[in-house]
Amino acid sequence: GAVVSQHPSWVICKSGTSVKIECRSLDFQATTMFWYRQFPKQSLMLMATSNEGSKATYEQGVEKDKFLINHASLTLSTLTVTSAHPEDSSFYICSARAPSGDTQYFGPGTRLTVL
Amino acid sequence: KQEVTQIPAALSVPEGENLVLNCSFTDSAIYNLQWFRQDPGKGLTSLLLIQSSQREQTSGRLNASLDKSSGRSTLYIAASQPGDSATYLCAVREGSARQLTFGSGTQLTVLP
Repeated sequence: GAVVSQHPSWVICKSGTSVKIECRSLDFQATTMFWYRQFPKQSLMLMATSNEGSKATYEQGVEKDKFLINHASLTLSTLTVTSAHPEDSSFYICSARAPSGDTQYFGPGTRLTVL
Repeated sequence: KQEVTQIPAALSVPEGENLVLNCSFTDSAIYNLQWFRQDPGKGLTSLLLIQSSQREQTSGRLNASLDKSSGRSTLYIAASQPGDSATYLCAVREGSARQLTFGSGTQLTVLP
């Protein structure tokens, strides 16, 4: 099946620093990628939809200047958490959808801890 | 706005039991519904996808049903095993929207 990878799998950083998370579709081209955030024992909340070659569409309440998304190629989308604070600590999961087909393939997630 | 609810939030059963997980959604105009499994600290694994025109899908010991008119789906797990222990999430996709709306999940524990 289709494989989506994320890097890093976990990261610990100091408050005020920026962190970049990569999401790659390994064996298919993804015109659309999605970024989710998941707090402990809660469900996934969509943060933004990323389309290759265009600006991301952010969900209401998500700060686009804080969570920078770049979808530069058909296999790579990046999420940069700028000036991270402890409240940004969470599990970030990306998913990718091929141009045809209905299934979203999810990455393994990235655990961000901001001290 | 679509809301997805899963009941129960947690379930603990002895090995070998058959069990049912429930998912309900408020807007029946969905494109499809998907069931996922999430292990602790891990990403999501897709289990079953049901198109809006379908009533059920089966994969091994798993069977998912969909009643779009009543806004409900069930995931049936037969002969549960300790390895089935995980959080099960359902998600709906609406119309032409590409994103999924997730329920809060059911945390399943199968005791050996």
